[in-house]
Amino acid sequence: AQSVTQPDARVTVSEGASLQLRCKYSYSGTPYLFWYVQYPRQGLQLLLKYYSGDPVVQGVNGFEAEFIKSNSSFHLRKASVHWSDSAVYFCAVVNYGNEKITFGAGTKLTIKP
Amino acid sequence: GALVYQYPRRTICKSGTSMRMECQAVGFQATSVAWYRQSPQKTFELIALSTVNSAIKYEQNFTQEKFPISHPNLSFSSMTVLNAYLEDRGLYLCGAGRDINTGQLYFGEGSKLTVL
Repeated sequence: AQSVTQPDARVTVSEGASLQLRCKYSYSGTPYLFWYVQYPRQGLQLLLKYYSGDPVVQGVNGFEAEFIKSNSSFHLRKASVHWSDSAVYFCAVVNYGNEKITFGAGTKLTIKP
Repeated sequence: GALVYQYPRRTICKSGTSMRMECQAVGFQATSVAWYRQSPQKTFELIALSTVNSAIKYEQNFTQEKFPISHPNLSFSSMTVLNAYLEDRGLYLCGAGRDINTGQLYFGEGSKLTVL
């Protein structure tokens, strides 16, 4: 069975600082991996996705993520955060063929001024 | 662009009553629609996956008797929470896409259910 672990329930960083949100997955095949963001009182928005090829994928608003197969990880990064990045971030994996998206528990990001 | 609208945005209902929520896809064909529930302080639980012209697949803890879903065409889906109780409260999200296997779904803003 597939699963996604986001070990940090909450992360606080200062505006302008760099960011890494951790995600590890468990899946027997080659996963499709995603990061979604949920802003306050809103639904989910896709930040970026990885299917194959270059393990570093670029997303919207300066976010990127790196797929490291040996580590079963897909951490999200941003070089310099902005106050508007405050939100909850969800890592997700798709089990191709099983038609199921599994979400991690989410990491709440707070940006300090 | 691709957009998904959900309504109502918020509903307050009495315990034991039902609530119907709708999901409208604009700008793309919503071949697959996934309904999720985000309970307070929790992640997203998949309720069911609906693909046009196929049977609706419910996850283990959810049933058609409790959460009947309609997906009559490529732009619309609805789900009803029947006989709602406190444990049914949460944000119900509709995610729609052309091919669920790509994993890329467009999500609505959700329908928040409060049960009194």
